[in-house]
Amino acid sequence: EVQLVESGGGLVKPGGSLRLSCAASGFTFSTYTMNWVRQAPGKGLEWVSSISGSSTYIYYADSVKGRFTISRDNANNSLYLQMNSLRAEDTAVYYCAREYYGSGSPWGYWGQGTLVTVSS
Amino acid sequence: EIVLTQSPGTLSLSPGERATLSCRASQSVSSSYLAWYQQKPGQAPRLLIYGASSRATGIPDRFSGSGSGTDFTLTISRLEPEDFAVYYCQQYGSSPWTFGQGTKVELK
Repeated sequence: EVQLVESGGGLVKPGGSLRLSCAASGFTFSTYTMNWVRQAPGKGLEWVSSISGSSTYIYYADSVKGRFTISRDNANNSLYLQMNSLRAEDTAVYYCAREYYGSGSPWGYWGQGTLVTVSS
Repeated sequence: EIVLTQSPGTLSLSPGERATLSCRASQSVSSSYLAWYQQKPGQAPRLLIYGASSRATGIPDRFSGSGSGTDFTLTISRLEPEDFAVYYCQQYGSSPWTFGQGTKVELK
Protein backbone atom coordinates (compact mmCIF):
# COMPACT_ATOMS: atom_id res chain seq x y z
CA GLU A 1 0.00 0.00 0.00
CA VAL A 2 1.33 3.41 -0.99
CA GLN A 3 1.84 5.66 2.01
CA LEU A 4 3.07 9.23 2.15
CA VAL A 5 3.58 10.89 5.53
CA GLU A 6 4.55 14.55 5.76
CA SER A 7 6.20 16.17 8.74
CA GLY A 8 8.05 19.33 9.68
CA GLY A 9 5.29 21.90 9.59
CA GLY A 10 4.79 24.47 12.30
CA LEU A 11 4.74 28.16 13.19
CA VAL A 12 7.56 30.31 11.81
CA LYS A 13 8.15 34.05 11.65
CA PRO A 14 8.25 35.93 8.36
CA GLY A 15 11.70 35.63 6.84
CA GLY A 16 12.31 32.35 8.63
CA SER A 17 13.00 28.87 7.32
CA LEU A 18 11.44 25.45 7.61
CA ARG A 19 12.20 22.04 6.17
CA LEU A 20 9.37 19.69 5.30
CA SER A 21 9.83 15.95 4.92
CA CYS A 22 7.73 13.29 3.28
CA ALA A 23 8.35 9.63 4.15
CA ALA A 24 7.28 7.26 1.40
CA SER A 25 6.57 3.54 1.56
CA GLY A 26 4.81 0.80 -0.37
CA PHE A 27 6.40 1.49 -3.76
CA THR A 28 9.76 1.85 -5.49
CA PHE A 29 10.37 5.45 -4.55
CA SER A 30 13.23 6.14 -6.96
CA THR A 31 11.10 5.46 -10.04
CA TYR A 32 8.51 8.17 -9.46
CA THR A 33 8.47 11.92 -9.82
CA MET A 34 7.37 13.45 -6.53
CA ASN A 35 5.55 16.70 -5.97
CA TRP A 36 4.66 19.27 -3.34
CA VAL A 37 1.23 20.90 -3.50
CA ARG A 38 -0.11 23.45 -1.03
CA GLN A 39 -3.48 24.76 0.01
CA ALA A 40 -3.90 28.03 1.86
CA PRO A 41 -6.67 28.06 4.50
CA GLY A 42 -10.04 28.04 2.78
CA LYS A 43 -8.45 28.28 -0.67
CA GLY A 44 -7.76 26.02 -3.62
CA LEU A 45 -4.83 23.81 -4.56
CA GLU A 46 -1.52 25.20 -5.81
CA TRP A 47 1.32 23.16 -7.26
CA VAL A 48 4.63 24.13 -5.62
CA SER A 49 7.45 21.93 -6.93
CA SER A 50 8.30 18.63 -8.63
CA ILE A 51 11.40 16.43 -8.75
CA SER A 52 12.03 13.49 -11.05
CA GLY A 53 13.08 10.09 -9.76
CA SER A 54 16.79 10.66 -10.28
CA SER A 55 16.59 14.38 -9.38
CA THR A 56 17.54 15.24 -12.96
CA TYR A 57 14.48 17.39 -13.54
CA ILE A 58 13.31 19.91 -10.98
CA TYR A 59 10.52 22.45 -11.38
CA TYR A 60 9.17 25.25 -9.22
CA ALA A 61 6.15 27.50 -9.28
CA ASP A 62 7.11 31.13 -9.85
CA SER A 63 5.71 32.00 -6.43
CA VAL A 64 8.43 29.99 -4.66
CA LYS A 65 11.33 30.03 -7.14
CA GLY A 66 14.54 31.17 -5.49
CA ARG A 67 13.17 30.62 -1.98
CA PHE A 68 12.22 26.92 -1.88
CA THR A 69 14.40 23.92 -2.71
CA ILE A 70 13.06 20.45 -3.39
CA SER A 71 15.25 17.39 -2.91
CA ARG A 72 14.98 13.66 -2.35
CA ASP A 73 16.93 10.81 -0.76
CA ASN A 74 16.13 7.65 -2.67
CA ALA A 75 18.12 5.50 -0.27
CA ASN A 76 15.80 6.54 2.53
CA ASN A 77 12.58 6.94 0.51
CA SER A 78 12.26 10.56 1.53
CA LEU A 79 11.24 13.80 -0.14
CA TYR A 80 12.10 17.22 1.23
CA LEU A 81 11.14 20.85 0.78
CA GLN A 82 13.51 23.45 2.19
CA MET A 83 11.59 26.70 2.56
CA ASN A 84 13.53 29.93 3.12
CA SER A 85 12.52 33.59 3.28
CA LEU A 86 9.01 32.56 4.27
CA ARG A 87 6.15 34.99 3.80
CA ALA A 88 2.66 35.20 5.24
CA GLU A 89 1.28 34.06 1.89
CA ASP A 90 3.19 30.77 2.23
CA THR A 91 0.83 29.79 5.06
CA ALA A 92 -0.84 26.60 3.90
CA VAL A 93 -1.21 22.88 4.30
CA TYR A 94 1.59 21.29 2.29
CA TYR A 95 0.95 17.91 0.69
CA CYS A 96 3.40 15.58 -0.95
CA ALA A 97 1.93 13.69 -3.87
CA ARG A 98 3.00 10.88 -6.18
CA GLU A 99 2.20 10.26 -9.81
CA TYR A 100 -0.69 7.87 -10.30
CA TYR A 101 1.00 5.40 -12.66
CA GLY A 102 4.22 7.01 -13.81
CA SER A 103 5.51 9.71 -16.10
CA GLY A 104 2.83 11.98 -17.49
CA SER A 105 0.13 11.00 -15.05
CA PRO A 106 -1.70 13.11 -12.47
CA TRP A 107 -1.27 12.72 -8.74
CA GLY A 108 -3.03 9.66 -7.50
CA TYR A 109 -1.45 9.36 -4.06
CA TRP A 110 -1.34 12.09 -1.44
CA GLY A 111 -0.14 12.42 2.10
CA GLN A 112 -2.31 13.84 4.87
CA GLY A 113 -0.55 17.19 4.73
CA THR A 114 1.42 19.29 7.18
CA LEU A 115 0.42 22.82 8.19
CA VAL A 116 2.88 25.68 7.82
CA THR A 117 1.92 28.95 9.47
CA VAL A 118 4.00 32.06 8.79
CA SER A 119 3.17 34.73 11.32
CA SER A 120 4.87 37.10 13.72
CA GLU B 1 0.51 29.21 -17.94
CA ILE B 2 -2.80 27.47 -18.57
CA VAL B 3 -5.58 29.02 -16.50
CA LEU B 4 -8.47 26.72 -15.61
CA THR B 5 -11.85 28.26 -14.84
CA GLN B 6 -14.46 26.10 -13.14
CA SER B 7 -18.17 26.76 -13.10
CA PRO B 8 -20.37 27.08 -11.26
CA GLY B 9 -18.65 28.07 -8.04
CA THR B 10 -21.30 26.29 -6.00
CA LEU B 11 -23.86 23.70 -7.01
CA SER B 12 -26.79 23.11 -4.65
CA LEU B 13 -28.39 19.74 -5.28
CA SER B 14 -30.21 16.91 -3.56
CA PRO B 15 -29.18 13.24 -3.31
CA GLY B 16 -30.18 11.37 -6.44
CA GLU B 17 -29.84 14.42 -8.68
CA ARG B 18 -27.35 14.78 -11.51
CA ALA B 19 -24.37 17.12 -11.13
CA THR B 20 -22.61 18.69 -14.10
CA LEU B 21 -19.35 20.55 -13.42
CA SER B 22 -17.47 22.52 -16.04
CA CYS B 23 -13.76 23.27 -16.46
CA ARG B 24 -12.60 25.62 -19.20
CA ALA B 25 -8.92 26.09 -20.09
CA SER B 26 -7.33 29.29 -21.38
CA GLN B 27 -5.54 27.24 -24.05
CA SER B 28 -5.74 23.71 -25.34
CA VAL B 29 -4.77 21.02 -22.81
CA SER B 30 -2.27 18.74 -24.51
CA SER B 31 -3.23 15.09 -24.98
CA SER B 32 -6.27 15.62 -22.78
CA TYR B 33 -4.02 15.69 -19.72
CA LEU B 34 -6.95 16.82 -17.59
CA ALA B 35 -7.79 15.34 -14.19
CA TRP B 36 -10.56 15.77 -11.65
CA TYR B 37 -10.13 15.53 -7.88
CA GLN B 38 -12.59 15.39 -5.01
CA GLN B 39 -11.73 16.94 -1.67
CA LYS B 40 -13.66 16.71 1.57
CA PRO B 41 -13.01 18.95 4.60
CA GLY B 42 -9.81 18.05 6.42
CA GLN B 43 -8.81 15.48 3.82
CA ALA B 44 -6.30 15.32 1.00
CA PRO B 45 -7.58 15.47 -2.57
CA ARG B 46 -8.64 12.18 -4.15
CA LEU B 47 -8.06 11.48 -7.84
CA LEU B 48 -11.31 10.68 -9.63
CA ILE B 49 -10.65 11.07 -13.36
CA TYR B 50 -7.49 11.27 -15.47
CA GLY B 51 -6.92 11.66 -19.19
CA ALA B 52 -10.20 13.63 -19.23
CA SER B 53 -12.36 10.49 -19.13
CA SER B 54 -10.64 7.55 -17.41
CA ARG B 55 -11.77 6.66 -13.91
CA ALA B 56 -9.10 6.04 -11.30
CA THR B 57 -9.10 2.73 -9.46
CA GLY B 58 -12.04 2.28 -7.13
CA ILE B 59 -14.01 5.28 -8.40
CA PRO B 60 -17.73 4.45 -8.84
CA ASP B 61 -19.12 4.55 -12.35
CA ARG B 62 -21.56 7.32 -11.44
CA PHE B 63 -18.54 9.62 -11.97
CA SER B 64 -17.69 10.31 -15.60
CA GLY B 65 -15.48 12.80 -17.39
CA SER B 66 -15.63 14.13 -20.91
CA GLY B 67 -14.23 16.84 -23.13
CA SER B 68 -11.11 17.79 -25.03
CA GLY B 69 -9.16 20.85 -26.07
CA THR B 70 -10.36 23.63 -23.79
CA ASP B 71 -13.71 22.38 -22.50
CA PHE B 72 -14.11 19.56 -19.99
CA THR B 73 -16.97 18.24 -17.88
CA LEU B 74 -17.31 16.08 -14.78
CA THR B 75 -20.70 14.46 -14.39
CA ILE B 76 -22.02 12.70 -11.31
CA SER B 77 -25.05 10.80 -12.55
CA ARG B 78 -26.87 10.36 -9.24
CA LEU B 79 -25.52 12.11 -6.19
CA GLU B 80 -24.86 9.98 -3.14
CA PRO B 81 -24.56 11.57 0.34
CA GLU B 82 -20.78 11.03 0.28
CA ASP B 83 -20.39 13.01 -2.98
CA PHE B 84 -21.00 16.39 -1.37
CA ALA B 85 -17.54 17.92 -1.52
CA VAL B 86 -15.32 20.31 -3.48
CA TYR B 87 -14.15 19.24 -6.93
CA TYR B 88 -11.05 20.52 -8.70
CA CYS B 89 -9.88 20.11 -12.25
CA GLN B 90 -6.16 20.05 -13.01
CA GLN B 91 -4.11 20.12 -16.16
CA TYR B 92 -0.89 18.12 -16.06
CA GLY B 93 0.19 18.48 -19.65
CA SER B 94 2.45 21.49 -19.35
CA SER B 95 4.35 23.18 -16.55
CA PRO B 96 3.28 24.94 -14.44
CA TRP B 97 0.69 22.34 -13.54
CA THR B 98 -2.45 24.25 -12.64
CA PHE B 99 -5.76 23.70 -10.87
CA GLY B 100 -9.13 25.28 -11.27
CA GLN B 101 -10.50 27.24 -8.32
CA GLY B 102 -12.94 24.47 -7.41
CA THR B 103 -16.67 23.79 -7.51
CA LYS B 104 -18.44 23.07 -4.25
CA VAL B 105 -21.29 20.58 -4.49
CA GLU B 106 -23.50 21.25 -1.49
CA LEU B 107 -26.64 19.75 -0.09
CA LYS B 108 -29.74 21.67 -1.11
